[in-house]
Formats: sequence, structure tokens, C-alpha cells
Amino acid sequence: DAGVIQSPRHEVTEMGQEVTLRCKPISGHNSLFWYRQTMMRGLELLIYFNNNVPIDDSGMPEDRFSAKMPNASFSTLKIQPSEPRDSAVYFCASSSWGTANTEAFFGQGTRLTVV
Amino acid sequence: DQQVKQNSPSLSVQEGRISILNCDYTNSMFDYFLWYKKYPAEGPTFLISISSIKDKNEDGRFTVFLNKSAKHLSLHIVPSQPGDSAVYFCAASANFGNEKLTFGTGTRLTIIP
Repeated sequence: DAGVIQSPRHEVTEMGQEVTLRCKPISGHNSLFWYRQTMMRGLELLIYFNNNVPIDDSGMPEDRFSAKMPNASFSTLKIQPSEPRDSAVYFCASSSWGTANTEAFFGQGTRLTVV
Repeated sequence: DQQVKQNSPSLSVQEGRISILNCDYTNSMFDYFLWYKKYPAEGPTFLISISSIKDKNEDGRFTVFLNKSAKHLSLHIVPSQPGDSAVYFCAASANFGNEKLTFGTGTRLTIIP
């Protein structure tokens, strides 16, 4: 397996524009997580899905952020409209939920810059 | 509210010496702990874990110690090597790893040759 695949690797956009980040989890994993990395807060969990169903979105900063998982092999994180404070590295991770002591596998991240 | 805290943003250690990275947690429901390592421009990768039924877990040069009463864990790397230079994240979960991971802010470890 190629691991968790995220696209794009880098995104530069203007304030107010819509941004869509994409993730393909590891085949067979049934949980998917979106994280945001910042200097101040480290790795923050934004939302996670189990069997394509959103379980906890309490980490989503505000209504400008939304995430979907239409099937087991694809998820998107959308920011609309984007703001400069959204600039960060966004990671997607997947794991096998329900298997105790299972670690999450991370993608390489998308570095988002909003100017 | 930071439930997992890594109070040292950075640490420098001489090659060959022991590196000790610390992590504190506040949520008493956490019973499974992990360390992740992150190189620049890459995603975090799993390093080692420990369940609350243990107080020590060892894997090669890496050992994690858990002090439940103090709600504290530490990662020991011995001997430290230049390739160990990275950011290390501590993470915690409840229900023996079946709940979401809560991460700390990370510690940047620099190994000095």
C-alpha cells in the first residue's frame, strides 16, 4: 500500500477563496482523521470519521470548515472562505478502529498558505 | 484546554548521550500513550506506545516510561544519533487506543554531532 495520500502538497490561495484538501486513506482502514498543525497548538484534531460517518467534529474551528467522506477511499476538507489565519499544515491520517492499540498512519500533509 | 502537554519546545543533546523527552497529561481517562516522530515536510510516524497496564516499554534504543500517579510519561533515546533529530509528539487515547488521539505540541530534538 502507498500509505495515506494527500493532495495537493502545497496550496497558496488568496483570502476569500475556497480551498479543498483531499485524502485517500490506507485501504482497509475504517477510520479517518483530519489534523491541523500549528506552532501554538501542535497537532489539533479537526474531525474524524468511522466507517465514513463523522463521529466528532468538535475540533472544526468554525462553519467555514467542512469535511466529507463520500466513500471508504476518499475524504475532503473544505475551507470557504479561507482566511490568512487558516495557514497551517493539514494532515490526514487513517487507522483500523476497534482494533485496540492501533496507531494512526499519517499522510505527508498539505501546507496551506492564505495570503 | 491542552490535555497533553509537552513543556519543552526544544532539546539539544550530544550524539551518543541519552535524550529524554517528557510529556504530561491531565485527563485521567487516558490509558494508552504513543510517541510519534516527525521529520520536516513529512507526516508524523509512529515510534512506540505504552498501555496503562505497563510502566515501561522498550524497543531498541527507545524506551517509554509511564508514571500513572503523576500523569507523566517520558521517552528515552539511548544512544542518541544524528538521525534522531526531529520533532517528537506525545499522544494519548482512552479506551485502550480505541478513542481518538490527543496530541501534545511537540518537542524539537536536535542531536549535536
